[in-house]
Amino acid sequence: TQLLEQSPQFLSIQEGENLTVYCNSSSVFSSLQWYRQEPGEGPVLLVTVVTGGEVKKLKRLTFQFGDARKDSSLHITAAQPGDTGLYLCAGIHRSAQKLVFGQGTRLTINP
Amino acid sequence: GAVVSQHPSWVICKSGTSVKIECRSLDFQATTMFWYRQFPKQSLMLMATSNEGSKATYEQGVEKDKFLINHASLTLSTLTVTSAHPEDSSFYICSAVQGNYGYTFGSGTRLTVV
Repeated sequence: TQLLEQSPQFLSIQEGENLTVYCNSSSVFSSLQWYRQEPGEGPVLLVTVVTGGEVKKLKRLTFQFGDARKDSSLHITAAQPGDTGLYLCAGIHRSAQKLVFGQGTRLTINP
Repeated sequence: GAVVSQHPSWVICKSGTSVKIECRSLDFQATTMFWYRQFPKQSLMLMATSNEGSKATYEQGVEKDKFLINHASLTLSTLTVTSAHPEDSSFYICSAVQGNYGYTFGSGTRLTVV
């Protein structure tokens, strides 16, 4: 059972365009994280959101945590080829310490 | 920052043999570590939670006798894939939790069973 539904799973756009990746669940999370993973490597943490409604910005990346703490989004402005990679959302349930991942979004930015 | 070292980076083994993968927290103590499995073009699937000094907690559908986890110290957890078969070929990744710093991931181990 996939606790976190991530969409889209694949996205290919042109350099300079904007995009949004969504992460949805029916469960409430104490916090939600976004990672980026390169081939053959472990995922690298981009951001952690904890408070419902929280918005965090990391240069051209904007992360938002839903008010009910069940969903999150990642918005990239003016995408660049260097943004190409696998983006993963992951949630931590209130009752457990374990981190559960969404299916991932494989993003390709074409020059 | 927190660093997790995973070894080996890649391993090729014959079908029927066992393979051990190590996960070390280099500059912090980790009472809890996690083992994930990732198939090509897919996300990370949690296999088990490794607890120092106690038995690991396995996720539903993961065979505990097939994937042996030992967390004998606060800086080392090992995953042994026993009697490996080609379908066990995958990318295995560990992570460790350090207090308020959250989760740190190892660089992964590419296992190929031939």
